[in-house]
Amino acid sequence: GAVVSQHPSRVICKSGTSVKIECRSLDFQATTMFWYRQFPKKSLMLMATSNEGSKATYEQGVEKDKFLINHASLTLSTLTVTSAHPEDSSFYICSANSGVLAFFGQGTRLTVV
Amino acid sequence: QQQVKQSPQSLIVQKGGIPIINCAYENTAFDYFPWYQQFPGKGPALLIAIRPDVSEKKEGRFTISFNKSAKQFSLHIMDSQPGDSATYFCAATESGNTPLVFGKGTRLSVIA
Repeated sequence: GAVVSQHPSRVICKSGTSVKIECRSLDFQATTMFWYRQFPKKSLMLMATSNEGSKATYEQGVEKDKFLINHASLTLSTLTVTSAHPEDSSFYICSANSGVLAFFGQGTRLTVV
Repeated sequence: QQQVKQSPQSLIVQKGGIPIINCAYENTAFDYFPWYQQFPGKGPALLIAIRPDVSEKKEGRFTISFNKSAKQFSLHIMDSQPGDSATYFCAATESGNTPLVFGKGTRLSVIA
């Protein structure tokens, strides 16, 4: 099946710094990718839809200035958590569609200390 | 408003048992219904999916039953094994590049 690679898998950063998470579709092109956030023992919460060559679409309540999304090519979307705070600590997951099938990255565990 | 309702929240079965996880949806525009399996610290992995034009789909030990009139679908795991212990999410979406709407997940434990 299609492969979506997400990097890094774990990151620890200090409060106030920024962290960039990459999401790559390895064997297919994705004009649209999705970013989710998942809290422990909870379901995936859609944060934003990343569109290649245009602005991302954010879900209600998600701060676009805090969670910067760039989809510069058909195989790469990045999520940058700016000025991170401990409450941003979470599991972030990206997905991309190959046809109707949605494939997920491995996830990134972000810990802000 | 939760668009996909999933139950139960957790489930414990013995090895060889057949856990059943149920989901119900509201949006009649949904036309693609996948199930995902997620292990701790990992991203969800696509398990099996169904479209509303069929009532059942089987892949290995996993079976989806779909009831379009009731707007319900369920996952059955035959001959469950301890390695099946994971969290299972049902989801739904409209065809095309639209995001998945997830259920809240079911934590399955298969005990030997």
